[in-house]
Amino acid sequence: DAMVIQNPRYQVTQFGKPVTLSCSQTLNHNVMYWYQQKSSQAPKLLFHYYDKDFNNEADTPDNFQSRRPNTSFCFLDIRSPGLGDAAMYLCATSRDGQGFYEQYFGPGTRLTVT
Amino acid sequence: RKEVEQDPGPFNVPEGATVAFNCTYSNSASQSFFWYRQDCRKEPKLLMSVYSSGNEDGRFTAQLNRASQYISLLIRDSKLSDSATYLCVVNGAGGSYIPTFGRGTSLIVHP
Repeated sequence: DAMVIQNPRYQVTQFGKPVTLSCSQTLNHNVMYWYQQKSSQAPKLLFHYYDKDFNNEADTPDNFQSRRPNTSFCFLDIRSPGLGDAAMYLCATSRDGQGFYEQYFGPGTRLTVT
Repeated sequence: RKEVEQDPGPFNVPEGATVAFNCTYSNSASQSFFWYRQDCRKEPKLLMSVYSSGNEDGRFTAQLNRASQYISLLIRDSKLSDSATYLCVVNGAGGSYIPTFGRGTSLIVHP
């Protein structure tokens, strides 16, 4: 089945220790998104890619970086995680960049910072 | 004014009840509209796209009112398994094609 896969599902890191979250998709979608979601809040968009074209949300902290080496894979790097970065990180894809299509979400990576 | 607004609830209803949620959006040029369901500690999953003519899928009916800039979701004959958070998503709400999420409406269906 075509899908969006995220690894790991659960990640525990220490305060200040870099961490990388990965996302892969078999849907061959052009657009990939990274969201941060905290408890009882809406997903908050961090970045998105339209093909290799990178778009950073204005309020995304510099501590967060992203890479998309090819159509299938996307990575989220957190350079120096703080306690406030503990959250669910969701990767999503959509077919196009014109906003007509729905998003497909991966199962998320739950990040704990100790 | 927020770009996409939802009443967070919770809506607490008995099994078998009919419940409706609304979601308002601020940008009249918004292009496409969706309802997602999110269970606790899980990812959002598409429930329905919302079309201008309205659409129905079993017990679920979604409608779009462009004049008043809101979408609605109606759930008939509520089941315990309908308990979840329902997220409204509007593409183009912020002036670009990027999806904008409402904060979600919590539904609790009790026996």
